[in-house]
Amino acid sequence: EDQVTQSPEALRLQEGESSSLNCSYTVSGLRGLFWYRQDPGKGPEFLFTLYSAGEEKEKERLKATLTKKESFLHITAPKPEDSATYLCAVQESDSWGKLQFGAGTQVVVTP
Amino acid sequence: EAGVVQSPRYKIIEKKQPVAFWCNPISGHNTLYWYRQNLGQGPELLIRYENEEAVDDSQLPKDRFSAERLKGVDSTLKIQPAELGDSAVYLCASSWLGMGHTEAFFGQGTRLTVV
Repeated sequence: EDQVTQSPEALRLQEGESSSLNCSYTVSGLRGLFWYRQDPGKGPEFLFTLYSAGEEKEKERLKATLTKKESFLHITAPKPEDSATYLCAVQESDSWGKLQFGAGTQVVVTP
Repeated sequence: EAGVVQSPRYKIIEKKQPVAFWCNPISGHNTLYWYRQNLGQGPELLIRYENEEAVDDSQLPKDRFSAERLKGVDSTLKIQPAELGDSAVYLCASSWLGMGHTEAFFGQGTRLTVV
């Protein structure tokens, strides 16, 4: 069965302490990999789409990378406002439009 | 530009009662999704519409759940009768599937509590 696995489940960082989140996936063919940010009580907020191995996208302190079997979300010098749950989702080649989500990584950044 | 709008934000009902959720997608988006998110989990797709047509409803519990998207715009998701296990956040999302764009944009969700 296809799966999307995110690790770690939770991450506690000091402000300025850079770290990486992992999203590993097992699908027969990847159309796209998506990263979302979700704040408590809100819907997921779109961050990035990655389509092919080697691709990288950046937004402020976040940088997403993609290999053939996993993606990383790097948080550089995080601030408390980066605290959120980060969700990874994959879209299969033969499943146009359908996103399969991981369980997310809950990130807490303390001052 | 307005995002995906959902209502109500919160709903508490007794088991066996009916409940309905409403979604207004981003203007111009041809695809609408309903997801369910349990606590500590990622969203799971219930149904996907392309315009008026439900193209993927394989995960929708059809004995108690129903959905419609009239005129290819707004959508309603209904549960009748609700069960305790239906307590979750119901998320609506929309996207424009075409020209390489596949990202979905989510509403704030409706938190359903069945007591």
